[in-house]
Formats: sequence, C-alpha cells, structure tokens
Amino acid sequence: DSGVTQTPKHLITATGQRVTLRCSPRSGDLSVYWYQQSLDQGLQFLIQYYNGEERAKGNILERFSAQQFPDLHSELNLSSLELGDSALYFCASSVGHWDEQYFGPGTRLTVT
Amino acid sequence: AQTVTQSQPEMSVQEAETVTLSCTYDTSESDYYLFWYKQPPSRQMILVIRQEAYKQQNATENRFSVNFQKAAKSFSLKISDSQLGDAAMYFCAYRSRWGQSNFGNEKLTFGTGTRLTIIP
Repeated sequence: DSGVTQTPKHLITATGQRVTLRCSPRSGDLSVYWYQQSLDQGLQFLIQYYNGEERAKGNILERFSAQQFPDLHSELNLSSLELGDSALYFCASSVGHWDEQYFGPGTRLTVT
Repeated sequence: AQTVTQSQPEMSVQEAETVTLSCTYDTSESDYYLFWYKQPPSRQMILVIRQEAYKQQNATENRFSVNFQKAAKSFSLKISDSQLGDAAMYFCAYRSRWGQSNFGNEKLTFGTGTRLTIIP
C-alpha cells in the first residue's frame, strides 16, 4: 500500500457525460501528478499540482481539468467523454518536486 | 523532449532462470533518473529499482539489478532466480534531475512496457 488513495476504483459511464476522479496523496506530500494509461497512448503524464497550484501540464485535453484543494487532495474532471477516454487513470504524489513519486491504485474508466 | 523505448513487447522465462528486459532512452540532459516499475495484474504501479545517472555503479535490489550504459543510453533490467510473482508488465521510466532549467519538469516519461511471463 503506497498510502495514495483513489476513488472510485471503477467507473462506467456513457459518451458525452462528465466524471470526477478523486485522489488523496500520502500524508505530507505536496505534489500530485495525474497519469493516463490507455491501450493506444500508453502511460502518459497529464498534469501536476504542487501545494494547490498547477505546476506542469502534459498531454491533457481541453475537455479535462484538475485542481488541488487546500487539504491537498486532488480531483481530475473529465467532460464530454468519448470512447477513447476509456483508460486507467493514476494519481501519484511526492513530498516535493524532485522526490520519489508514489502511485495510487488507479481508477478504471470505461466509456460506453 | 525525452523518449523511452522498450523494444520487447513480451518476454518469457522459466521459473528460477534469469531474464533481461531492455530499455533505451533519448535525452540531451546529462543528469537524470531512470526507473523500472512493475505493474502486476492488480494494476498497481510498483517501483522496482532506481538509477541515478551520475552514479557509475549499477543499482541492485535483491534479485533485481540494472545494466546502465550512459553513453549508449541503455538501461536494462536483469531479474535473477525468476519467481511466479515476477509475472507482470514492466515499464522503464525517465525523469529529469533537479535544476533551474528543469522547472516544472518533474514528470515521469514511460516506455511502452514489456509483459513478462514466468513459465513454471
């Protein structure tokens, strides 16, 4: 157990819908990263937050957004969902910018 | 931008034997980290081993060791005495090291993975 929690574990929804994925970092970790693992794109970085502020963006679609709250948990919002958004979404956390990243168990999103 | 390549989509090894998984990467940076992550059927990403580019000595963790060839930009993982529990997807990953020019570049860049099967 990495200490990073993600909810829900599984999510099944229809095209065009909006979902929110939640991540609670390890106690004391200020950085949160979101990664997407899909069959065609592999594992890729989406976005990073540090202490409530966006720090870096990767290949994140405009339909996707994220935020980190004062209690340091983070949410990834996916809207206007398409079939191709079906993937495993990981959250990882680290103490600071350059420290070890610990991964959560992931949320499996299926868009039908 | 950095890229990571794993050219072996699948590998298999007999239980108790040794197997080597390959990884190459491309970067213009001189200092960085390389990682091997294991993803078993549970889907959890588990850090197996880490190598700091400025260290010449290859990292080892019990039955896992790496062969880091910086000039060749090669980073292979050797698993000795393979066990059934080693069956998983293995991902090679790159991360920049701290530096003023790397602000906001703390992300991991992954290869496409190698599926390792252990034959009893």
